[in-house]
Amino acid sequence: DIQMTQSPSSVSASVGDRVTITCRASQDISTWLAWYQQKPGKAPKNLIFAASSLQSGVPSRFSGSGSGTEFTLTITSLQPEDFATYYCQQAKSLPLTFGGGTKVEIK
Amino acid sequence: QVQLQESGPGLVKPSQTLSLTCTVSGGSISSDGYYWSWIRQHPGKGLEWIGYIYYSGSTYYNPSLKSRLSMSVDTSKSQFSLKLNSVTAADTAIYYCAIKIVGTFFDYFDYWGQGSLVTVSS
Repeated sequence: DIQMTQSPSSVSASVGDRVTITCRASQDISTWLAWYQQKPGKAPKNLIFAASSLQSGVPSRFSGSGSGTEFTLTITSLQPEDFATYYCQQAKSLPLTFGGGTKVEIK
Repeated sequence: QVQLQESGPGLVKPSQTLSLTCTVSGGSISSDGYYWSWIRQHPGKGLEWIGYIYYSGSTYYNPSLKSRLSMSVDTSKSQFSLKLNSVTAADTAIYYCAIKIVGTFFDYFDYWGQGSLVTVSS
């Protein structure tokens, strides 16, 4: 199985801050990576697919980059509604696997 | 807009079978490139992919659950289902149904149900 490791596991930030979350794959997954946002009590929501493609309706302050084994999700100018937990997920090979999550908390 | 809704018992006794159904509305369960998936989340923890079924009936199960798992699809009812047998407390989780959308250069979970909490307890 491909292991996905996210860092940090949590981050405290203020409204307006830039936040970067890293996801590392245990082997090359090219750009077969997606990012999700999950708020308490809700299902995850896709933000980014194919490592850097922004899902329709997702604000442009969200961006994804990377290929191979290292990927980043960046939120520029953090907004109150962005406080949530973020997960990466690889789609290179089965079984599909998720990172452990990064909780973005209010500072 | 496709919508998914999980249904099934919220409480299952240890050693019994957990059964959930996902009803699809606003879209065709026979759509090409749509893989009907199940994902679970243990309380306060991360996400675990359980497996998927295609409308043709082909399946892929996570090897960690494969021996206890079966999925089925009923295209006439626009439903797909999950059965997990011999459950233990470790199977207590929120179970989500979701659509995995696959294209030439992309593969991700697009639509999700609201989730169904299943507790395994006597």
